[in-house]
Amino acid sequence: GEDVEQSLFLSVREGDSSVINCTYTDSSSTYLYWYKQEPGAGLQLLTYIFSNMDMKQDQRLTVLLNKKDKHLSLRIADTQTGDSAIYFCAEANTDKLIFGTGTRLQVFP
Amino acid sequence: EPEVTQTPSHQVTQMGQEVILRCVPISNHLYFYWYRQILGQKVEFLVSFYNNEISEKSEIFDDQFSVERPDGSNFTLKIRSTKLEDSAMYFCASRGDSNNEQFFGPGTRLTVL
Repeated sequence: GEDVEQSLFLSVREGDSSVINCTYTDSSSTYLYWYKQEPGAGLQLLTYIFSNMDMKQDQRLTVLLNKKDKHLSLRIADTQTGDSAIYFCAEANTDKLIFGTGTRLQVFP
Repeated sequence: EPEVTQTPSHQVTQMGQEVILRCVPISNHLYFYWYRQILGQKVEFLVSFYNNEISEKSEIFDDQFSVERPDGSNFTLKIRSTKLEDSAMYFCASRGDSNNEQFFGPGTRLTVL
């Protein structure tokens, strides 16, 4: 069945770049998403990429998609303490989202 | 900026009781969803809803669950007879017709005792 995997933790220094990785199994995924969840809050859509693209940039965020390897990454440039949160990768080929386990990003000064 | 809202933020109930979780999707959206997240686990899809009927549902969404759009603004999830394992955060989401962005509400934490 469909599965999405992420590493559980990432710790970076403020001002550095963060790279959060995700792998998925469904080769028919049409869209891939990144959501952010801050403590006690809902899921905030950060960005998404259509499966026929290999890169999308949106301000400090860069999404890279390697469809052959079914690998998705989110790069956050100039990481700030306010970026500390859990980041979820999700894929969709029908209307439902299949989420990864989430990566907890901790930014330290 | 329009947002999805959910009430209550926290619901505590006894096992076997019925609960109704409420959501107000973004006003011009047509597609509605429920997801849940058991503590420490992945966010899981429950059901999608469009044009007053269920489009897709997961194995979790059994006969104990139902959804309804009782009026033009609310979208509800009912659990008929709650079980301990229904304890989770329940997220509502909605999306418009012109894109694939699902916007999530803040969630309702359901605790079944």
